[in-house]
Amino acid sequence: DTGVSQDPRHKITKRGQNVTFRCDPISEHNRLYWYRQTLGQGPEFLTYFQNEAQLEKSRLLSDRFSAERPKGSFSTLEIQRTEQGDSAMYLCASSLSLGADLEAFFGQGTRLTVV
Amino acid sequence: GDSVTQMEGPVTLSEEAFLTINCTYTATGYPSLFWYVQYPGEGLQLLLKATKADDKGSNKGFEATYRKETTSFHLEKGSVQVSDSAVYFCALSDHNFGNEKLTFGTGTRLTIIP
Repeated sequence: DTGVSQDPRHKITKRGQNVTFRCDPISEHNRLYWYRQTLGQGPEFLTYFQNEAQLEKSRLLSDRFSAERPKGSFSTLEIQRTEQGDSAMYLCASSLSLGADLEAFFGQGTRLTVV
Repeated sequence: GDSVTQMEGPVTLSEEAFLTINCTYTATGYPSLFWYVQYPGEGLQLLLKATKADDKGSNKGFEATYRKETTSFHLEKGSVQVSDSAVYFCALSDHNFGNEKLTFGTGTRLTIIP
């Protein structure tokens, strides 16, 4: 399977704990995005990488959130001191910056439940 | 800022009915427009796209035309099937300094009854 993969698919954690999610993009894609989707809403942009550089962060991304893409391949999203409001589906997408064909491919997401 | 407003659901139709899901947008520049679909248990998939005014995107019998004058990108299908049951998201990308981040609508859940 050469699509975007995310791990884990589901995570239940207690309030105050730290969690880390991983995203493996399509191998030749240089752009990687993180989105958050809450129930009944569309995905909301969190942050964007081009290769290993984090180029934009949404105001939604509080200082408890940190994302990395150390070698321009896989990415991790860490949430520290989780709160119940962090419960959501976290989506990763990747794309290739080539011409005008900028289709983003999404993973199946990591569903986080904070109890 | 950019925003997308789409028809609220859920929408329930009989098989072979005509489908329209309305989508309007607000953007500062000249965005590209997309429809994404999420089938049960699967990730978001691109259904169709249009990159400039008057372009028509089409795929799997679905169509949408980029209307700059009405800032709209309505999704249509002439005869829906049970397999079209899914959540449909309208989205735009404003090409801001090479960041192709997507701004999504809230989604429309479509159920097709045999």
